[in-house]
Amino acid sequence: QVQLVESGGGLVKPGGSLRLSCAASGYIFSDYYMSWIRQAPGKGLEWISYISDTAGIEQYADSVKGRFTISRDNAKNSLYLQMNSLTVEDTAVYYCGRVSVGRREFDYWGQGTLVTVSS
Amino acid sequence: QSALTQPPSASGSPGQPVTISCTGTSSDIGVYNYVSWYQQHPGKAPKLMIYEVTKRPSGVPDRFSGSKSGNTASLTVSGLQAEDEADYYCSSYAGGNNFVVFGGGTKLTV
Repeated sequence: QVQLVESGGGLVKPGGSLRLSCAASGYIFSDYYMSWIRQAPGKGLEWISYISDTAGIEQYADSVKGRFTISRDNAKNSLYLQMNSLTVEDTAVYYCGRVSVGRREFDYWGQGTLVTVSS
Repeated sequence: QSALTQPPSASGSPGQPVTISCTGTSSDIGVYNYVSWYQQHPGKAPKLMIYEVTKRPSGVPDRFSGSKSGNTASLTVSGLQAEDEADYYCSSYAGGNNFVVFGGGTKLTV
């Protein structure tokens, strides 16, 4: 079955950096676009980035553009999110999600990893 | 502030129907038939329940249904069950730089 497992979250100071990982299994990873979605404490969901199956296309929400970088390693079935210049507003649970074949929704999600930005 | 507007809460008795609305604009729900609904139990990952307005992924009970009219989409749960108590989020493809936008979520109490 499809499984997505995030890791790399933790406590970081404002202005710091963190790299999240998402390990995928149960399907052909290289066949699907992948995405990161976050959820601030007590808040709703926010899409922040996606990457195409071959990593040739990346897109970012305005809230993270220029600070976050999405990448993938199809040989390792892994998705990454490099987060730089973090602010307290970036505090959230970060989910990796598989973009569906139709490329308009997320058909599988990981359990999430918590990122806390605080001094 | 979320791009799509949902009521913060909804409730119903077991066996009764309930409908959750999701209002967008002519740039998202109004122009694309790519509305999705996600169910999220506390501390759990969201689960896709409806996609492309009306379609259900394999394994989702048929008591969940979706619809759309103009800039507003709706999720209906007919025959509420205790396990349906959760947060529900709508989303819509928005194209361009926004890709997908979400609603703020509705807490459904059974």
